[in-house]
Amino acid sequence: GESVGLHLPTLSVQEGDNSIINCAYSNSASDYFIWYKQESGKGPQFIIDIRSNMDKRQGQRVTVLLNKTVKHLSLQIAATQPGDSAVYFCAVDCQGNQFYFGTGTSLTVIP
Amino acid sequence: AAGVIQSPRHLIKEKRETATLKCYPIPRHDTVYWYQQGPGQDPQFLISFYEKMQSDKGSIPDRFSAQQFSDYHSELNMSSLELGDSALYFCASSPVGKNIQYFGAGTRLSVL
Repeated sequence: GESVGLHLPTLSVQEGDNSIINCAYSNSASDYFIWYKQESGKGPQFIIDIRSNMDKRQGQRVTVLLNKTVKHLSLQIAATQPGDSAVYFCAVDCQGNQFYFGTGTSLTVIP
Repeated sequence: AAGVIQSPRHLIKEKRETATLKCYPIPRHDTVYWYQQGPGQDPQFLISFYEKMQSDKGSIPDRFSAQQFSDYHSELNMSSLELGDSALYFCASSPVGKNIQYFGAGTRLSVL
């Protein structure tokens, strides 16, 4: 099995600052990780993914870092904007089976 | 681009009634997943189907069943509804050979 957790349930940042959302997982066999963004009343939206053979992956304004040694991944959002306010989930896939979602972190961007 | 379509968006039922939720995956996606999300909670995996066969089973109650049809749409059937079944139910689909899941907007089920 897999248990996934986030370090902070809520995060408030000033507009323009960088945001860092963390996630810990328990199963060292986990090999695929996705970050999702969920806005109120909507389904989770794919942001970025990373496989276990990588340590870092960058997208547009987002970077995911994976530390397999301590079973931790983070999502970094650069120049956070009000539209980034949402709940962010990490989802962990253990060798092609089920995805396990962590408890979401609610990000609030202060204008 | 086409997304995952779920219907209905909202559903109100009474205890002990039945409900059927429908999911239409993105075209050419062969895998469908169902999740339940309670208020303030993370999505909990219920069940998945690959090529119309059940592939994985999560925390789906025995009162619930699901299937995937020949056109790849899926239905989640829920019987003997309980108050605790009130939640958002999401369907997600994945393209062939990939396990990125694309989510629908969800069905909000309220059991009174």
